[in-house]
Amino acid sequence: GAGVSQSPRYKVAKRGQDVALRCDPISGHVSLFWYQQALGQGPEFLTYFQNEAQLDKSGLPSDRFFAERPEGSVSTLKIQRTQQEDSAVYLCASSIQGGGGAGYTFGSGTRLTVV
Amino acid sequence: SQKIEQNSEALNIQEGKTATLTCNYTNYSPAYLQWYRQDPGRGPVFLLLIRENEKEKRKERLKVTFDTTLKQSLFHITASQPADSATYLCALDGSRGYQKVTFGTGTKLQVIP
Repeated sequence: GAGVSQSPRYKVAKRGQDVALRCDPISGHVSLFWYQQALGQGPEFLTYFQNEAQLDKSGLPSDRFFAERPEGSVSTLKIQRTQQEDSAVYLCASSIQGGGGAGYTFGSGTRLTVV
Repeated sequence: SQKIEQNSEALNIQEGKTATLTCNYTNYSPAYLQWYRQDPGRGPVFLLLIRENEKEKRKERLKVTFDTTLKQSLFHITASQPADSATYLCALDGSRGYQKVTFGTGTKLQVIP
């Protein structure tokens, strides 16, 4: 598609509920990134895929967070047993290459509120 | 520890003036430094990338400098307009071989008509 598409745009979850956030990157973009952004802060890295391979998951805050990109295109970020501290905007970005040598194209994000 | 620092206070500037935003970093050896614009409720939008061997890069009314000795980048918007009001984020890769970029906290720019 023309841009990075994320769904849902907003998600309200009860504490303890599982959620799944979807990212549809730009076609042909090899690299896909998930970031978490708290209010008034910059995006914080969660995980990185090159095609279907998850090469870096060092930013995932706990084992309740899981991401996949099984066919090297669409990616899903899953959060199990959501906690209030998980409330944030989750941003997906894709890039034609990894590293900092090319700009990232971001989606509009999913705003997750855990109540 | 690694840090990327941007002015946390909002920058207010009169329309038509040049806005200058600062990005300082410590304990990084980036090959690239990027600047993004972010509007409320939207994802960041890529503006410019500058490489470690480039001192300056320009794009229309935007100019970025990169001083690897000072570990600093300056981002300039000339002839600023109210439509330039947004949060501006700098981002850099940690070191060669790193696949991710790390973002600063951003500086909010308000251009006053």
